[in-house]
Amino acid sequence: DTAVSQTPKYLVTQMGNDKSIKCEQNLGHDTMYWYKQDSKKFLKIMFSYNNKELIINETVPNRFSPKSPDKAHLNLHINSLELGDSAVYFCASSPRTGGPTDTQYFGPGTRLTVL
Amino acid sequence: DQQVKQNSPSLSVQEGRISILNCDYTNSMFDYFLWYKKYPAEGPTFLISISSIKDKNEDGRFTVFLNKSAKHLSLHIVPSQPGDSAVYFCAASVAGRRALTFGSGTRLQVQP
Repeated sequence: DTAVSQTPKYLVTQMGNDKSIKCEQNLGHDTMYWYKQDSKKFLKIMFSYNNKELIINETVPNRFSPKSPDKAHLNLHINSLELGDSAVYFCASSPRTGGPTDTQYFGPGTRLTVL
Repeated sequence: DQQVKQNSPSLSVQEGRISILNCDYTNSMFDYFLWYKKYPAEGPTFLISISSIKDKNEDGRFTVFLNKSAKHLSLHIVPSQPGDSAVYFCAASVAGRRALTFGSGTRLQVQP
């Protein structure tokens, strides 16, 4: 009964490949997020979707494309992977629409290694 | 530009004593602050939060203090337990913007 799940947990791939990371939440939340944890351990927001609509798109290369087929899923597709994309990617969700004080619940992370 | 800073990368305390983790921020637009706890190979887990209209929030052994004039918040854990050993992240958000800005984390080690 995992609340926010991500697959795969580990992903090792070659430069130039295209890969996807999937995220699902069973909490009934309206908003989902992707964060990247870089080598300095900062978690930085990449995207946020509210009811399948993109509401936040930080300065992320357009090789990264989020897709939300429904409000319980937010997948991250990455084209033409580069060495600098190696990081841990966390999916999160939060319960309310429009509320500024919502707590975000995180998935276990996907460690992406680009060789 | 780090808007949320955790200047102590690590902290070690004895079991039963108080742990104090500190966090500073620079963006005066932040109005909601959270602490997350993270174990290795897991995602961050929400611990406690505080709104900018308050200066203290308590939940069991965990208390968060907010000093808006100093743009500083702290997390107190009393008494500390070995199971509290983890990385603690401070995070903040701006009203209306549904994204968190995180600090770099403080690794807490509670010695038995």
